[in-house]
Amino acid sequence: DQQVKQNSPSLSVQEGRISILNCDYTNSMFDYFLWYKKYPAEGPTFLISISSIKDKNEDGRFTVFLNKSAKHLSLHIVPSQPGDSAVYFCAAKGGTSGGSNYKLTFGKGTLLTVNP
Amino acid sequence: GAVVSQHPSRVICKSGTSVKIECRSLDFQATTMFWYRQFPKQSLMLMATSNEGSKATYEQGVEKDKFLINHASLTLSTLTVTSAHPEDSSFYICSATGGAGGGETQYFGPGTRLLVL
Repeated sequence: DQQVKQNSPSLSVQEGRISILNCDYTNSMFDYFLWYKKYPAEGPTFLISISSIKDKNEDGRFTVFLNKSAKHLSLHIVPSQPGDSAVYFCAAKGGTSGGSNYKLTFGKGTLLTVNP
Repeated sequence: GAVVSQHPSRVICKSGTSVKIECRSLDFQATTMFWYRQFPKQSLMLMATSNEGSKATYEQGVEKDKFLINHASLTLSTLTVTSAHPEDSSFYICSATGGAGGGETQYFGPGTRLLVL
């Protein structure tokens, strides 16, 4: 049972345009969401996060939107740069009661390619 | 952001040997560390969670005796793959929480590529 889904395995965008990466989740108990960027053979790098009590968080070129009713979040990158090309993972925290609600559940990732 | 290191970055070993991977939080005290495993083109799969000074909590299907975890201090956790076999070949990544972010965010190490011949 995949609780965090990234349905697009890949996305290709032109430099300077907006990149929109989507993520859906099924567990309504998730209370914190994060986006990570990952290059091959490296660990994920934290990008931006959002609490379930908010619907938007912005940090420079990165904005995360959360739609709780739809159980959907998205990461917007604008303007996109070739250096943004990487795999982007959506992750959710919580979802269980008791002491294990700190664990992260990851999606399978979306490969973003920004073309010069 | 918080920095997490892993050592070694890559290791090749013979089947039957044990391999130890270190995970260190360099600029913060990590109250909790996590160990993940990633197969090619797959997501990160949580193996176990460790808190300093206590036994690790393993995810379902992960063999405790196979993957030994020691969280000896607030800045160091180790994963030992005992009697490694070719099917243990994978990319192992650790993460840590407990920094200035108040524990909400996990910061990841660069990963360790293990190849068992």
